[in-house]
Amino acid sequence: KAGVTQTPRYLIKTRGQQVTLSCSPISGHRSVSWYQQTPGQGLQFLFEYFSETQRNKGNFPGRFSGRQFSNSRSEMNVSTLELGDSALYLCASSGSLAPQETQYFGPGTRLLVL
Amino acid sequence: EDQVTQSPEALRLQEGESSSLNCSYTVSGLRGLFWYRQDPGKGPEFLFTLYSAGEEKEKERLKATLTKKESFLHITAPKPEDSATYLCAVRGFVRSNDYKLSFGAGTTVTVRA
Repeated sequence: KAGVTQTPRYLIKTRGQQVTLSCSPISGHRSVSWYQQTPGQGLQFLFEYFSETQRNKGNFPGRFSGRQFSNSRSEMNVSTLELGDSALYLCASSGSLAPQETQYFGPGTRLLVL
Repeated sequence: EDQVTQSPEALRLQEGESSSLNCSYTVSGLRGLFWYRQDPGKGPEFLFTLYSAGEEKEKERLKATLTKKESFLHITAPKPEDSATYLCAVRGFVRSNDYKLSFGAGTTVTVRA
């Protein structure tokens, strides 16, 4: 079974631009979560989607948004990029919203904001 | 507020030198404790899920245990390929049908040949 895939793997943007990242979950998985990982803050939860609905949201500004499509694929968008948005963005999928479910991570998208 | 604290931050081991990593947590209504391994520049790789105190799971040289306040990841006779950052995460109750996954900062393990 193919794992979680994320595109692109690397991205360089300048301040003020916007960016869209894509995530394809494991086949059959309907829940997708997004995380930001930086050396100083570790893994920080961004949001979680299930059946095209945002179910949970972390403490990030409104510049960070996401959506999920009917095939469970998800995108996240960051508008008006800031230098501090440079990070590894990770997508994780699970089969359901059951709290016991394991989340499986993709390889991440490395975003560098100049 | 859920809290997950991992110690030590970094661990340097000689090949074959067994050791343990600690993950202490405070969470409402624990629904699962998860261990992941992360190599530099890659996404976390799932290792174990523990659900209740007293539970233990093993995989090759790794063994995870769980108590009501903490979890240990024991590395027995490590090899250089066990070098990675090990992340602990807990799933706790936030509100009805809503459970939050909180991660610790990780322990970076370096195993020298």
